[in-house]
Amino acid sequence: KQEVTQIPAALSVPEGENLVLNCSFTDSAIYNLQWFRQDHGKGLTSLLLIQSSQREQTSGRLNASLDKSSGRSTLYIAASQPGDSATYLCAARNYGGSQGNLIFGKGTKLSVKP
Amino acid sequence: NAGVTQTPKFQVLKTGQSMTLQCAQDMNHEYMSWYRQDPGMGLRLIHYSVGAGITDQGEVPNGYNVSRSTTEDFPLRLLSAAPSQTSVYFCASSYSKGQSSPLHFGNGTRLTVT
Repeated sequence: KQEVTQIPAALSVPEGENLVLNCSFTDSAIYNLQWFRQDHGKGLTSLLLIQSSQREQTSGRLNASLDKSSGRSTLYIAASQPGDSATYLCAARNYGGSQGNLIFGKGTKLSVKP
Repeated sequence: NAGVTQTPKFQVLKTGQSMTLQCAQDMNHEYMSWYRQDPGMGLRLIHYSVGAGITDQGEVPNGYNVSRSTTEDFPLRLLSAAPSQTSVYFCASSYSKGQSSPLHFGNGTRLTVT
């Protein structure tokens, strides 16, 4: 059974720092891996989706990597801003699973201090 | 283009009452799903649908019913509310085919059962 873990549960950094959020998964037979952002009291917003055949995806200041062999994905945020403060979740979809049968991590709550 | 719309935003029920959480999307997505989010438990899949007329159970389906009579709507019914169903409920949708289909979430319904 796929398990997705995100460590640390919370992270506080000063504005301007580059930072890395970690996501690990136990079953490497994943179809894709997605990173989401959740603002307090809101729904999830998709940030990046990495297909199983890809190594990384980039969007603006965000870069997500995928290493299936080690069961890890990282989300790199460059030049962090207070507006980046949110909870970041990763989710893995396995082969044979349905489109929405994503297994979510519990998230990393990021706080960027001005 | 409103995306995924959930109503109501907040609801308080007494034990044993029934209600329907509404979800609608205007993106012509084939796939729709319901998740619940609880502190310390992360997001868990309740039910999902890969198209009109087709539904299936997720990880935690007990106590909930769904139907998908149209592509746009995917209501979630609580048959007899219990305090254990106190949670935040999210509806999500995506194209069902292909790997590059990120999940789009609504803003959630916060349900309290007393």
